[in-house]
Amino acid sequence: GNSVTQMEGPVTLSEEAFLTINCTYTATGYPSLFWYVQYPGEGLQLLLKATKADDKGSNKGFEATYRKETTSFHLEKGSVQVSDSAVYFCASRGRALTFGSGTRLQVQP
Amino acid sequence: GAVVSQHPSRVICKSGTSVKIECRSLDFQATTMFWYRQFPKKSLMLMATSNEGSKATYEQGVEKDKFLINHASLTLSTLTVTSAHPEDSSFYICSAADRATGKLFFGSGTQLSVL
Repeated sequence: GNSVTQMEGPVTLSEEAFLTINCTYTATGYPSLFWYVQYPGEGLQLLLKATKADDKGSNKGFEATYRKETTSFHLEKGSVQVSDSAVYFCASRGRALTFGSGTRLQVQP
Repeated sequence: GAVVSQHPSRVICKSGTSVKIECRSLDFQATTMFWYRQFPKKSLMLMATSNEGSKATYEQGVEKDKFLINHASLTLSTLTVTSAHPEDSSFYICSAADRATGKLFFGSGTQLSVL
């Protein structure tokens, strides 16, 4: 079955620092890939997605590129803000979503 | 945007009691809802898939008699944890698939603590 592995947190950064959260997947075929974000006290929200190899998903300054050769979908942002503090989940979609364990990001002013 | 209301957000109960968690799609119809469970520092694990008007499909290792799922309408699914025990303490989260678009939306989760 599908599986998703993402880096453990917490990740603590200063405001305006560069962010990378690694995510790799295993799957049969080429599943759609997603990043979800969970802000404190809220539900999961779709941040971005990519449906095929070499697609780049982007939203709110975050980007991730679907890399078939490395089975990766790393999340990046050039300059994080305090408001980006949240838990980020990488996921792949087969019949249902398969999630990584989540990475907590803490951005300090 | 589409909203999924999950209630309660937090519940504490005694061992042996049953707890019901509701998941409602507020502005769309959801033919399919998913229930996940998350242990601390672990992935969200899919427990079951419920389809409106039919029996839920449980993932391997999930006890269907312990985690009762009812999806009686296109906007409501419930998960009942029966005879709860401390090991059932976890974060439970639902997801609903929009019938019109197929997009998935998530509830805010329920933290269950069984004493």
